[in-house]
Amino acid sequence: DQQVKQNSPSLSVQEGRISILNCDYTNSMFDYFLWYKKYPAEGPTFLISISSIKDKNEDGRFTVFLNKSAKHLSLHIVPSQPGDSAVYFCAASDSGGSNYKLTFGKGTLLTVNP
Amino acid sequence: GAGVSQSPRYKVAKRGQDVALRCDPISGHVSLFWYQQALGQGPEFLTYFQNEAQLDKSGLPSDRFFAERPEGSVSTLKIQRTQQEDSAVYLCASSFDRVAGYTFGSGTRLTVV
Repeated sequence: DQQVKQNSPSLSVQEGRISILNCDYTNSMFDYFLWYKKYPAEGPTFLISISSIKDKNEDGRFTVFLNKSAKHLSLHIVPSQPGDSAVYFCAASDSGGSNYKLTFGKGTLLTVNP
Repeated sequence: GAGVSQSPRYKVAKRGQDVALRCDPISGHVSLFWYQQALGQGPEFLTYFQNEAQLDKSGLPSDRFFAERPEGSVSTLKIQRTQQEDSAVYLCASSFDRVAGYTFGSGTRLTVV
């Protein structure tokens, strides 16, 4: 039973365009969400996060949107660059419970073509 | 060091062999986590330490898995009598506080043959 789902295993985008990565969750107790980026043979690197009290958080080219009613979040990368090519993981935690524990999706492989 | 260091990077073990995986967290980080990432999956939580105390080991798959952090810094994940389903990348992460600022190491890729 996957509590965090990334239904697109892969996404291919042209350099300069927008990349939109999607994530759905089923556990209504989740209230803190994070995106991690992973290059081959490296560990995941924290990218951006959002608390459930917000619906948007922006950091440079990266914006995360949260729709609590739909239990859906998305990561927008604008403009996309070839160096953004990596696997992106969505993760969630429950601050009222085991707030240190992250539940990850399976990841989406983003390829940005020059 | 500047990051979380894990060793070895790669480990091949024969089925039934015991293995020990090491994690050096970022200096000063009180929280330390172990995750298991199987091929094509996201990382899955194994265990959590706050300093030397193991506060949650609910994710350890079986009693063949054991983790320790005796002095509140370096941690070791031990797997006894390895089986093929133990093949995965084992990720260690440390954090100054909670989930914010989780920093992962590069992982140890364990292959059981």
